[in-house]
Parts: sequence; C-alpha cells; structure tokens
Amino acid sequence: AQSVTQLDSQVPVFEEAPVELRCNYSSSVSVYLFWYVQYPNQGLQLLLKYLSGSTLVESINGFEAEFNKSQTSFHLRKPSVHISDTAEYFCAVSALSGNTPLVFGKGTRLSVIA
Amino acid sequence: GAVVSQHPSRVICKSGTSVKIECRSLDFQATTMFWYRQFPKKSLMLMATSNEGSKATYEQGVEKDKFLINHASLTLSTLTVTSAHPEDSSFYICSARKTGGGEAFFGQGTRLTVV
Repeated sequence: AQSVTQLDSQVPVFEEAPVELRCNYSSSVSVYLFWYVQYPNQGLQLLLKYLSGSTLVESINGFEAEFNKSQTSFHLRKPSVHISDTAEYFCAVSALSGNTPLVFGKGTRLSVIA
Repeated sequence: GAVVSQHPSRVICKSGTSVKIECRSLDFQATTMFWYRQFPKKSLMLMATSNEGSKATYEQGVEKDKFLINHASLTLSTLTVTSAHPEDSSFYICSARKTGGGEAFFGQGTRLTVV
C-alpha cells in the first residue's frame, strides 16, 4: 500500500516570491508520482507527473518537481508565483498498474497575496 | 489529453430520494474507474473501484447498498446515491486511468446537496 504526506496544510506567499510545497510518500513498490491542482468547485487538473526517466519534471506554467527516491519526496516548486496560482494542490502516488487508484495527500492550500 | 466527463455538475435533491451521477471516458476505454468523495477542505477519499462487467470494490466503511455503482460499458460508470440524506451532501469525483497506467483523468466533479 502507498501513502502520501503533505506537511503543510496552508502556505501563504507574496506574489512573485518563490514557493515550495512539500510531499513525502511511502511505498513498498515502484510508484508513479503526481501533482494535481484544484480550483473551487472543480475537479482535479494534472499539473505534472513523474513516471520514469529524468527526476526533474516541469509543467507548462512554471512549476517543477523533483523525484528524490532516497528521501521519498516529490516537492513542488515555483520560482515566482502569481495570484492565479491560488488553489489547492494535491500530491498523489500510485502503483504502476493502470487498475489501481491514486492515493492522495491531504492537500496544501496555496494562497498568493498581492 | 484524455477527457473524462462527469454529469451533473451540481444537483440538489430531497432527503429520501436517489441521485445518479454519470462518469464517461470520452476518448479512451476505461476498464476501471474510481469514485472519490471530497469533504469541505479535505482530501479525496476513495469510495470504490468500478470494474467493467463485474461488481465494484468498495473501500472499508463505504456502504455498498447506499452507493450503487454500475460499470456497464468500457466508457461509462454510474454512481447512484440511494435514499439520500443530508449527511451525503458532498463533492463526488470520478476518475479513470488508461490500461497501461500513467496519470489519472478526473471528471469535473458533482456537488450534491441533500435538503
């Protein structure tokens, strides 16, 4: 079984400042890792994913995350945030099979302050 | 990318009635779909795994007679909340993954309010 820990439930940050949202996972098998973003009353949108290959993955809107196997972490970072980045961010892990569900962390509320 | 469509996006029903929520994979076949429930300011709780052509697998604590799941085709799974009560009010989200694994695609979610 897998589990995910998001250490910060809320992260306030000023606009144009950098941010890091932390995510740690545990699993006895190889996993895929994901970050999803959720805006109010909407479903989840994939932000980025680590399936294999390069441990540093990037999204089209400036976010990046690095898979660190030794530390079992997949922290999300952005060098300069915008007001529009205000949302709930969920880290998730799954086994490699397509028939298994994703296991989510409790989420981190990112609030960008003007 | 792949699309999962969920309908309705919002529903209000009277206590004691039943509500059906549909989840469709629009451009891929999904032998397995997943239903989640999200409480306010909380994470997503997996309710059940929906398997095409067979019975759903429910997580511990989820009443299978209350939350009926039917996965009649490779592109459609439905969740029926039977005899709904106010405590069933929540945000329900479905998701599907392609057979080969990779990311999960999510529906838009359904906001259920039982009055």
